[in-house]
Amino acid sequence: KQEVTQIPAALSVPEGENLVLNCSFTDSAIYNLQWFRQDPGKGLTSLLLIQSSQREQTSGRLNASLDKSSGRSTLYIAASQPGDSATYLCAVSRSSNDYKLSFGAGTTVTVRA
Amino acid sequence: DTGVSQDPRHKITKRGQNVTFRCDPISEHNRLYWYRQTLGQGPEFLTYFQNEAQLEKSRLLSDRFSAERPKGSFSTLEIQRTEQGDSAMYLCASSLERGQWGTEAFFGQGTRLTVV
Repeated sequence: KQEVTQIPAALSVPEGENLVLNCSFTDSAIYNLQWFRQDPGKGLTSLLLIQSSQREQTSGRLNASLDKSSGRSTLYIAASQPGDSATYLCAVSRSSNDYKLSFGAGTTVTVRA
Repeated sequence: DTGVSQDPRHKITKRGQNVTFRCDPISEHNRLYWYRQTLGQGPEFLTYFQNEAQLEKSRLLSDRFSAERPKGSFSTLEIQRTEQGDSAMYLCASSLERGQWGTEAFFGQGTRLTVV
């Protein structure tokens, strides 16, 4: 069974600092990895999708890397802002025919103004 | 609005009552998923549909739970004889299966169920 772990569980940084969020998974045979943002009491917003054949994806201030062989992904958020405060979740899927996602518990980020 | 829509957003029910939730996926998406999320945890997979066919159900989905997706469009999730342990956020997601290319999952805002 795929286990997804996110460390740390919570993170508090001053505005302007870069954020580094870690995700690890036990089974490296993944199809793709997706990072999500979740605001309190809300649904999930997709941030980045990385195919298993890719090493990284970038969108604006966000950059996600993937090292499939070691079972790790890192989400970098540059120049953090108070509006970045949220819970960030990573999720992996097993194959194109088995697209259900296995999620980590998330990292809750607080950016202090 | 072209996103995934869920209704209702919040539901409070007494233990033992039945509840039904609705999900409207993004219109061209052929895959639809239900997940459940409890406080402080990531979402857990419940079931998924490809078009109108329910292809997989998690062991989390007891016989009190049933999901349908008639005509491959919207989906409903019904919980019968609710228990306090059913209190959670129920999330719906949809995606477009495109063979070898990655498919991004898009989630709705969820239905928060509280069983009292």
